[in-house]
Amino acid sequence: GAVVSQHPSWVICKSGTSVKIECRSLDFQATTMFWYRQFPKQSLMLMATSNEGSKATYEQGVEKDKFLINHASLTLSTLTVTSAHPEDSSFYICSARGLASALETQYFGPGTRLLVL
Amino acid sequence: GENVEQHPSTLSVQEGDSAVIKCTYSDSASNYFPWYKQELGKRPQLIIDIRSNVGEKKDQRIAVTLNKTAKHFSLHITETQPEDSAVYFCAASTGYQKVTFGIGTKLQVIP
Repeated sequence: GAVVSQHPSWVICKSGTSVKIECRSLDFQATTMFWYRQFPKQSLMLMATSNEGSKATYEQGVEKDKFLINHASLTLSTLTVTSAHPEDSSFYICSARGLASALETQYFGPGTRLLVL
Repeated sequence: GENVEQHPSTLSVQEGDSAVIKCTYSDSASNYFPWYKQELGKRPQLIIDIRSNVGEKKDQRIAVTLNKTAKHFSLHITETQPEDSAVYFCAASTGYQKVTFGIGTKLQVIP
């Protein structure tokens, strides 16, 4: 149980385009989903926290108009990178927390590798 | 906010030896401490966690200890195997709040 999927697994796009990444909890209801960004050989940097049906809470320094987050249902959250630029290239990972084995535990998706040319 | 420090950043051990990774946290309200293992290019996987009402927890070759007074917790891996090679992250959170991760420790187990 507690499986989180992410789609797409990798994407290459041109500078200026928008990219949407989906995060789904497959076998549990995720009351909260988190979006992280990870650069090579670095830790997970939290970008935002989203709760179903409410606006996401962004971490300091993360542009909410650039990284749009929607948590429309208890099993789906989306991250849209708008007007992507090469510096947005990174590994984006979502995690979900909910009525799984323990309320505090986060389960991670497989990640999406974004390359902006 | 919470600040989690982790060391060492890299660790090499001979197969069969033990590995210890240490973390400290700053927020005395933190009460949940998970450890994640991340293999190259893959998702972090929860390997063990501990809550503040427990001082030690063990799962086969993996154990975690927590010292609330000193605000530090450690991961112990015994009888290391090559497949234990990965990056390990400690983390701390205050119940249902966001989780703050350490910087990670790259563990290399030498056959």
